[in-house]
Amino acid sequence: DIVMTQSPLSLPVTPGEPASISCRSSQSLVYSNGYSYLDWYLQKPGQSPQLLIYLASNRASGVPDRFSGSGSGTDFTLKISSVEAEDVGIYYCMQALQAPRIFGQGTKLEIK
Amino acid sequence: QVKLQESGPGLVKPSQTLSLTCTVSGASITSKSYYWSWIRQAAGKGLEWIGRVYVSGTIRHNPSLESRVSMSVDTSKNQFSLMLSSVTAADTAVYYCARDNGKYVGSYYYYYGMDVWGQGITVTVSS
Repeated sequence: DIVMTQSPLSLPVTPGEPASISCRSSQSLVYSNGYSYLDWYLQKPGQSPQLLIYLASNRASGVPDRFSGSGSGTDFTLKISSVEAEDVGIYYCMQALQAPRIFGQGTKLEIK
Repeated sequence: QVKLQESGPGLVKPSQTLSLTCTVSGASITSKSYYWSWIRQAAGKGLEWIGRVYVSGTIRHNPSLESRVSMSVDTSKNQFSLMLSSVTAADTAVYYCARDNGKYVGSYYYYYGMDVWGQGITVTVSS
């Protein structure tokens, strides 16, 4: 199975400041069409996960543009340009290249 | 607006079979553009992908669950189901259903993320 490793696991951020989360996969997530099959999800406290980013850099419908995804192959980054209070929760990356889908351990973002 | 809603017993005895249903509204389960997935989360833990089913009945599941997993689609009710046999306390978790948005075009799989999730259902395995 592909192993997904996120860092940091805890991320305290001051509102208005940027934030960045890294995700690395144990093997390339590039599919034969050239896209990296990597998603980012946010699980807010007490809620179901919600899709933020698919194919490494595509924002899902309704996701604010302060969220951006980048990277390809095995190294990926989720960036929040200016953190808001509503962004607290646990962020997960997930490889969608092959079964079984594997999630990273999660990064808990909290407000300072 | 597409909604998914999990249903089923909240308590299952050890060694029995856990059966959950996900009812889809606002989208057709027969659409060739979607797979239908199950994910679970033990208390205080991360997310674990259980598997997914296609309208044709094709299933992909997590090998970590060995052969205990079965899934099905009921097109007449616009529902899909998860069955997990021989459960133990380790299967206690919140179970989510989700829409896996993607389709094959020729030999390529075009993917748009697991874009709709149910609210989750808590299942406890205990005697």
